[in-house]
Amino acid sequence: AQTVTQSQPEMSVQEAETVTLSCTYDTSESDYYLFWYKQPPSRQMILVIRQEAYKQQNATENRFSVNFQKAAKSFSLKISDSQLGDAAMYFCAYRRKNSGYALNFGKGTSLLVTP
Amino acid sequence: NAGVTQTPKFQVLKTGQSMTLQCAQDMNHEYMSWYRQDPGMGLRLIHYSVGAGITDQGEVPNGYNVSRSTTEDFPLRLLSAAPSQTSVYFCASRPGRVNTEAFFGQGTRLTVV
Repeated sequence: AQTVTQSQPEMSVQEAETVTLSCTYDTSESDYYLFWYKQPPSRQMILVIRQEAYKQQNATENRFSVNFQKAAKSFSLKISDSQLGDAAMYFCAYRRKNSGYALNFGKGTSLLVTP
Repeated sequence: NAGVTQTPKFQVLKTGQSMTLQCAQDMNHEYMSWYRQDPGMGLRLIHYSVGAGITDQGEVPNGYNVSRSTTEDFPLRLLSAAPSQTSVYFCASRPGRVNTEAFFGQGTRLTVV
């Protein structure tokens, strides 16, 4: 079974600064997908960014980027120019490519953004 | 386009009562799944379905039943609610193609007293 570990229960960043959220995972698969989801107080699960394991290039979406280290099984999320609206729970998730019917989630990191 | 719709949004049950959490999607997605979210635990998979008539257990299936009679609907049944089932429940769906993302409902907050 695949496991996803987020070792930072809480993180804090000042507005306009950069913060990195950590995620490691364990798998014996060679091809899979990794995701970062944002959950604001509204409870809605919002996809922030995703990475396909066979792509060596790190995914980016505006102020959000990842550092994908496949050999180290590490998938960190970097948020640049942090905004108050970035405050939320962030979940790292894994999905197998073959027979990957659902997601495996980490326990989440609560991000606080201070003015 | 409504996406994934969960009802109700909030529910309070007494121990031993039964109820069904509804999940419907209008995107013709093959895959559907139910998760529960508990503080400090992330989202854990309860049951999932890869198409009408096909369901399987996830990580925490005990105390829950599912069925998938149509592509659109994937209800989650609690036969005899227990306080340990107090949680926030999410339904998600996605197309059966490999390179697709999941769409989540708004969640149901369930309290069992």
